[in-house]
Amino acid sequence: DAGVTQSPTHLIKTRGQQVTLRCSPISGHKSVSWYQQVLGQGPQFIFQYYEKEERGRGNFPDRFSARQFPNYSSELNVNALLLGDSALYLCASSGVRTGELFFGEGSRLTVL
Amino acid sequence: ILNVEQSPQSLHVQEGDSTNFTCSFPSSNFYALHWYRWETAKSPEALFVMTLNGDEKKKGRISATLNTKEGYSYLYIKGSQPEDSATYLCASLRGGTSYGKLTFGQGTILTVHP
Repeated sequence: DAGVTQSPTHLIKTRGQQVTLRCSPISGHKSVSWYQQVLGQGPQFIFQYYEKEERGRGNFPDRFSARQFPNYSSELNVNALLLGDSALYLCASSGVRTGELFFGEGSRLTVL
Repeated sequence: ILNVEQSPQSLHVQEGDSTNFTCSFPSSNFYALHWYRWETAKSPEALFVMTLNGDEKKKGRISATLNTKEGYSYLYIKGSQPEDSATYLCASLRGGTSYGKLTFGQGTILTVHP
């Protein structure tokens, strides 16, 4: 079975631009979470969506938004990019409460 | 403790050595504690999800213990092998939060030398 897939794997943007990252969860998983990982730090929670509804939001500015589609795939949007948004963005899906998260390999965003 | 903290930040061991790492987390409103292994250029992979105080879990040469009252967990690797080289992350899930909202530590980078 396919794991969590993310696209694109790498991308380069300039300050002020907008970016959309995509995630397809494991088949049957209805929950998708997004994390930002900056070098030297652990992943930091951005959003969780379950059944197309936002169930949790981390301490990120309103420039960050997300949505989940009827097929449970998800998009993370970041507007007005700043240099500090350069990071690895991880998507994870889960099928069971308190169960492990299944992560994709991430989308590495570089903002110049 | 308000955040999840891991120690040491990095560790170099020789093949065959046994090693252990520590994860400290908020004990109040505890729900679950996760351990993940993250190899370079791959995605984080779950090792254990632990919920009960005193719980001990084992997977091959890797085991973990949990103390929810004092807010710590230990991860042990017996007879380290070069393929165990990775970043080991722990993450806590607190009650009353969305279950996808894990709070991660900064990780312990393990390098096993042949």
